[in-house]
Amino acid sequence: GAGVSQSPSNKVTEKGKDVELRCDPISGHTALYWYRQRLGQGLEFLIYFQGNSAPDKSGLPSDRFSAERTGESVSTLTIQRTQQEDSAVYLCASSTAGRPDTQYFGPGTRLTVL
Amino acid sequence: AQRVTQPEKLLSVFKGAPVELKCNYSYSGSPELFWYVQYSRQRLQLLLRHISRESIKGFTADLNKGETSFHLKKPFAQEEDSAMYYCALSGLGQGGKLIFGQGTELSVKP
Repeated sequence: GAGVSQSPSNKVTEKGKDVELRCDPISGHTALYWYRQRLGQGLEFLIYFQGNSAPDKSGLPSDRFSAERTGESVSTLTIQRTQQEDSAVYLCASSTAGRPDTQYFGPGTRLTVL
Repeated sequence: AQRVTQPEKLLSVFKGAPVELKCNYSYSGSPELFWYVQYSRQRLQLLLRHISRESIKGFTADLNKGETSFHLKKPFAQEEDSAMYYCALSGLGQGGKLIFGQGTELSVKP
């Protein structure tokens, strides 16, 4: 069946521009997670959705980062006024009931800020 | 503070040799521990979890609460084991969010 999909796969932008990253979770998965992986580092948790509410936004690094989710469907991560330190691979995962051992990851979006 | 530490960035072994990827954690409570793996050009995927006490692809990991460790072991490495390995923890009541280590690249040479 279809897994988690993310778009675009690659995004190159100029410093100061806004970007939107999209995640389509597996159908029926109520929980959705965003992580960031900077070069040579592990994955950092950004935000978690249960349905369309976000009980945990503790990982968002600044107010330039925001995310929303439509029902139990697609999620968008928005980065405003991008900075070079925002360059990373942004990974999305979804799961059936907020259980970590059922998280399925997408292929990621590689963001490069020039 | 919640933290996962993988001290080795790169581990290189020969085929047939034993392999141990180290993972230590810091968490005030009883976390769930996991190993995730990412093969070349593939997605990150779950390898195993401590609560299952299972062996996957010949790998095992034992949770040592006294030493706060969850090392991944395999007695005889295979070339197809070459990948990035990430140790991760999740805390009770945290909705399943995962705290990852920095990852260890395992390279198994023929």
